[in-house]
Amino acid sequence: ILNVEQSPQSLHVQEGDSTNFTCSFPSSNFYALHWYRWETAKSPEALFVMTLNGDEKKKGRISATLNTKEGYSYLYIKGSQPEDSATYLCAFKTNAGKSTFGDGTTLTVKP
Amino acid sequence: SQTIHQWPATLVQPVGSPLSLECTVEGTSNPNLYWYRQAAGRGLQLLFYSVGIGQISSEVPQNLSASRPQDRQFILSSKKLLLSDSGFYLCAWTSPRSGRRYNEQFFGPGTRLTVL
Repeated sequence: ILNVEQSPQSLHVQEGDSTNFTCSFPSSNFYALHWYRWETAKSPEALFVMTLNGDEKKKGRISATLNTKEGYSYLYIKGSQPEDSATYLCAFKTNAGKSTFGDGTTLTVKP
Repeated sequence: SQTIHQWPATLVQPVGSPLSLECTVEGTSNPNLYWYRQAAGRGLQLLFYSVGIGQISSEVPQNLSASRPQDRQFILSSKKLLLSDSGFYLCAWTSPRSGRRYNEQFFGPGTRLTVL
């Protein structure tokens, strides 16, 4: 069983604060690392797919980094807004094509 | 464009009753299909995945089963539900390994199952 851990489990910030979360995963058999945003009453939606060590991806105020050698990825949100409130999931994908999800970090941004 | 459907959206079932959840994908061929469950306060647990018709891999021993009778249809079943089967069930698809979008996973709207 692959161990994918996310921290913190939950996070409450004020509007305008910047924040970051961590996803830890096995450093062997790495194929890809995904970040998803899961808003209440919606389906998870892909934010980033990262495949190379040192990858940095950015989409608006959200960015992510990847370190496959040490087995972690960071997700950063700059200037959080209430609409950023969601659960952020990471998923580790092996060469066999299966994804193992972490338990997620639930972000609440207060106006 | 591709779309994924799940039904029903919500379901309340008594313990010991059967279950059938259906997932269909449109706009793609030979997708990889997945069933996930989210238990309360947890992330997504992979239950089954399928790379083709009749090909099912089970990830977690349980009283659930899956079938893929057609290329774009994936069914999750149980003969007798347990209380612990309550949760949110998501179906997802990806392009087959040869597809250029292999790394993107797309989720359906989900089914909220409550077993009483």
